Amino acid sequence: EPEVTQTPSHQVTQMGQEVILRCVPISNHLYFYWYRQILGQKVEFLVSFYNNEISEKSEIFDDQFSVERPDGSNFTLKIRSTKLEDSAMYFCASRAESGNTIYFGEGSWLTVV
Amino acid sequence: QKEVEQDPGPLSVPEGAIVSLNCTYSNSAFQYFMWYRQYSRKGPELLMYTYSSGNKEDGRFTAQVDKSSKYISLFIRDSQPSDSATYLCASSYGNNRLAFGKGNQVVVIP
Repeated sequence: EPEVTQTPSHQVTQMGQEVILRCVPISNHLYFYWYRQILGQKVEFLVSFYNNEISEKSEIFDDQFSVERPDGSNFTLKIRSTKLEDSAMYFCASRAESGNTIYFGEGSWLTVV
Repeated sequence: QKEVEQDPGPLSVPEGAIVSLNCTYSNSAFQYFMWYRQYSRKGPELLMYTYSSGNKEDGRFTAQVDKSSKYISLFIRDSQPSDSATYLCASSYGNNRLAFGKGNQVVVIP
């Protein structure tokens, strides 16, 4: 069964460092998303991406965050200068153009120290 | 942000019991309703998807949506130890932003 894959599964970084989280969405999907889940909290929407541009973003997705689809398969989330409060599980997700079902990856656990 | 509320209290049931989970939502524009299952430190896995009001059944799982009361339910019949997980309800009005509840941790005791 096709799946969304994410790397790394776990990353520890120092505060102020840049982090890039990578995702390979399901191959025929055209909508891509990033969500995050702080330990013990709700899964929160960050950003959606379609046709090579951001289609919607939440108030969490400030200037420190950016997304990119550098090639035909990868979708990345960059955090420019990490803060302690960025520590969370980050989920990539994707959806087919004709469908309504959003499929999530296994997550990248980011720890900022 | 309180668009979807889910009482996060853990739930322990004996194997074979019916598990009943509920959520409420506040946004009348929500049209799509989902239940995801999440194992510890893993990504949410879609269990059930419902559009608008009504019931949907898939094997041992039944999802109900009552738009008049803004109430979403999931029932698991003949629960198994492998059903032990956190169950998240989610809603959306379009096809992009999902609003999640906090999740219910369910433990099925053999």
